[in-house]
Amino acid sequence: DIQMTQSPSTLSASVGDRVTITCRASQNINNRLAWFQQKPGKAPKLLIYKASSLETGVPSRFSGSGSGTEFTLTISSLQPDDFATYYCQQYTTYWTFGQGTKVEIK
Amino acid sequence: EVHLVESGGGLLQPGRSLRLSCTASGFTFGDYAMGWVRQAPGKGLEWIAFIRREVYGGTTEYAASVKGRFTISRDDSKSIAYLQMNSLKTEDTAVYYCTRHYQVSEYISDWNYYYYMDVWGKGTTVTVSS
Repeated sequence: DIQMTQSPSTLSASVGDRVTITCRASQNINNRLAWFQQKPGKAPKLLIYKASSLETGVPSRFSGSGSGTEFTLTISSLQPDDFATYYCQQYTTYWTFGQGTKVEIK
Repeated sequence: EVHLVESGGGLLQPGRSLRLSCTASGFTFGDYAMGWVRQAPGKGLEWIAFIRREVYGGTTEYAASVKGRFTISRDDSKSIAYLQMNSLKTEDTAVYYCTRHYQVSEYISDWNYYYYMDVWGKGTTVTVSS
């Protein structure tokens, strides 16, 4: 099974900060990685697919990078609506999620 | 607008069965693979079931945690995906989300297909407790 590990588990930041979340795969997944945003009591929302492709309608302050086993999600200037939990997910072999990174207000 | 609406959740005792439904609208249901993801209270996301398009045989995949107990199926004429859950355990307590899977085709000596989850329903809650 492919394991996905995110860091950090929790991140405290302020509006306007640049935020980076890291995701590591236990084996090579090429660029078959997605990022999701989830707010309390809501369904996850797709932000990024194919490691760096922005889903339609997602603000351009979100970006993704990486390939192989190391990936990052960057929010260039954190907005109030961005405080949420973020999950990475591989889709090379079935689907595995990272444990999540909660972005909270500093 | 694309929508997935789950239904059928509830409170039931261990060992019982339940069928969840996912009703789709706003897109051609038969053109997409579908799946289910669950989230236990306060926990992360867990993929549990997947069904390919009928053109690919409607074949299915399951996570080890539910294989042999859960069955995913689809009715393209009604635009509905189902999740039949048998022999339920307390650890199956979760919010169950229906997901649409977007297909990506890659050719490397042969065609390979990969799927990412591009649309999610709002979820339905299943509580298994004695």
